[in-house]
Amino acid sequence: KAGVTQTPRYLIKTRGQQVTLSCSPISGHRSVSWYQQTPGQGLQFLFEYFSETQRNKGNFPGRFSGRQFSNSRSEMNVSTLELGDSALYLCASSSISLAGGRNEQFFGPGTRLTVL
Amino acid sequence: DAKTTQPNSMESNEEEPVHLPCNHSTISGTDYIHWYRQLPSQGPEYVIHGLTSNVNNRMASLAIAEDRKSSTLILHRATLRDAAVYYCILRDSGETSGSRLTFGEGTQLTVNP
Repeated sequence: KAGVTQTPRYLIKTRGQQVTLSCSPISGHRSVSWYQQTPGQGLQFLFEYFSETQRNKGNFPGRFSGRQFSNSRSEMNVSTLELGDSALYLCASSSISLAGGRNEQFFGPGTRLTVL
Repeated sequence: DAKTTQPNSMESNEEEPVHLPCNHSTISGTDYIHWYRQLPSQGPEYVIHGLTSNVNNRMASLAIAEDRKSSTLILHRATLRDAAVYYCILRDSGETSGSRLTFGEGTQLTVNP
């Protein structure tokens, strides 16, 4: 079974631009979560989508948004990029239904975003 | 999510067992204990999880204290490939918790040849 894929793997943008990152979950997985990883803040949860609906949201400004399509693929968008948005963006998929706690998450390799 | 406390770093020698501790004194009865690890330049990888009983899988063993206020991840024979940051995470099993993971700082494991 193919793992979680993320595109692009590397991206360079300038301040003020917007960016869209893509995540394809493992086949059959309906939950996709997004995380931001920086040296200073570590791994932080952005949001989770399940069956095209946002189910959980972390403490990030509204510039960070996402969506999920009917095939469970997900995109994350960041508008008006700031220097501090430079980070590794990771997505994770899970086969979970609605009950949390017991499932394992499968992470992709991440997209390295650099904002100049 | 309840908080966990892990040592910042640990060292081990290759082919020796490694015991990675995690304290979670405020754990609730519905919290599962999960362990993930992140190898350099990769996304996190699931290792193991448990609720009350000790658990074993092909990667590791998880020993959970009787009062559940602490747990230990055991790598039976460390290899150089096990060098990674290990995260101990508590996850509520309630229906509203979804798939959210709250990562702490983790333990950086160094394996010496």
